[in-house]
Amino acid sequence: TQLLEQSPQFLSIQEGENLTVYCNSSSVFSSLQWYRQEPGEGPVLLVTVVTGGEVKKLKRLTFQFGDARKDSSLHITAAQPGDTGLYLCAGASGSARQLTFGSGTQLTVLP
Amino acid sequence: EAGVAQSPRYKIIEKRQSVAFWCNPISGHATLYWYQQILGQGPKLLIQFQNNGVVDDSQLPKDRFSAERLKGVDSTLKIQPAKLEDSAVYLCASSLVWTGNSPLHFGNGTRLTVT
Repeated sequence: TQLLEQSPQFLSIQEGENLTVYCNSSSVFSSLQWYRQEPGEGPVLLVTVVTGGEVKKLKRLTFQFGDARKDSSLHITAAQPGDTGLYLCAGASGSARQLTFGSGTQLTVLP
Repeated sequence: EAGVAQSPRYKIIEKRQSVAFWCNPISGHATLYWYQQILGQGPKLLIQFQNNGVVDDSQLPKDRFSAERLKGVDSTLKIQPAKLEDSAVYLCASSLVWTGNSPLHFGNGTRLTVT
């Protein structure tokens, strides 16, 4: 089973601050997805990155896939309380027919 | 489109009892997944169906867990007998196809508490 490590595990910041969360593995992934999960709900897809070095922007969120396709980062600019949630990365490999999730980063943005 | 439906939302049982969860995926989605999410952790895949066939059940504790997807649509996940460590949220997800890039659409889960 391929492992995805996310850091930090918990992050509490003030509204307006910037932050970066990381997703790392020793394995190569063919693609990587980022999800956000709010309490009492299932995860919701934010983005899928496929190409090494790829950068995708979604409003104030910037996602990057590492050149070697072993790691990814999520950067949030000017965080808002509505960004609060559990951020999960999930990787897919060519050989394993399953999506492996990381342990998540619990983000709290205080007003 | 209607989302993934799961029931019940909450279930409390005593250890050694049985419990069943139900999932109705998005219409037309061929792939269905059951994940277990323990508090503070990411989801762990239990079983993946492609239509009504099992693609991956390598992490399913088969001595107590079973799942079926009759007619390739709805699915049920059963635990018999339950243990304290089975307390978790059980998430069902579906995707149109499985290509590795396919987005997963999750239901809101069933929160199971085993006492």
